[in-house]
Amino acid sequence: DTAVSQTPKYLVTQMGNDKSIKCEQNLGHDTMYWYKQDSKKFLKIMFSYNNKELIINETVPNRFSPKSPDKAHLNLHINSLELGDSAVYFCASSQIFPGTSGPDTQYFGPGTRLTVL
Amino acid sequence: DAKTTQPPSMDCAEGRAANLPCNHSTISGNEYVYWYRQIHSQGPQYIIHGLKNNETNEMASLIITEDRKSSTLILPHATLRDTAVYYCIDKANAGGTSYGKLTFGQGTILTVHP
Repeated sequence: DTAVSQTPKYLVTQMGNDKSIKCEQNLGHDTMYWYKQDSKKFLKIMFSYNNKELIINETVPNRFSPKSPDKAHLNLHINSLELGDSAVYFCASSQIFPGTSGPDTQYFGPGTRLTVL
Repeated sequence: DAKTTQPPSMDCAEGRAANLPCNHSTISGNEYVYWYRQIHSQGPQYIIHGLKNNETNEMASLIITEDRKSSTLILPHATLRDTAVYYCIDKANAGGTSYGKLTFGQGTILTVHP
């Protein structure tokens, strides 16, 4: 059973197009994330959602719009794709208990390699 | 930006222990030390975390110095499948303002050779 899954695994598209990447987790976690790994292999957080509510938005261009229809899903829609959007996008999830403090372990999906031509 | 410092690369012979160091001299009292690794073309994988005490699980051991300014990840018997980029991250508790954010640095490329 795959804990965190992403579709598609590969996505090749033209500049200016709009595309979506889907993420699902079956771990029962309440928090989900999107990370971007660029060609230099730097991994950087983009968004975080807790119980369908946006928690972190790391100054990502508003062409990127995450949507969380329920706790188990966090999709990423990208409008007007640019060459610089080419990267590997990772979804992750963890369980955070509001009102408490403690460690939370994040589980990552296999990644979606986006290539913009 | 990442607040940890790691050597860019290390080598280890198969079957030997791999000791990966990490400096986190600005770590705060409520921040944990996390280790993740990323095997080529895969998503990052959680290894271990600790606050003050040394920790061990089925994958690795984590040794944290008493002043908490540095730590060492130990893979006791490295295999070829342990070849990966290893990331050391200090992260505030989940209830803090960072709310689960992991800030990755460049990590250490560990190459295990036969």
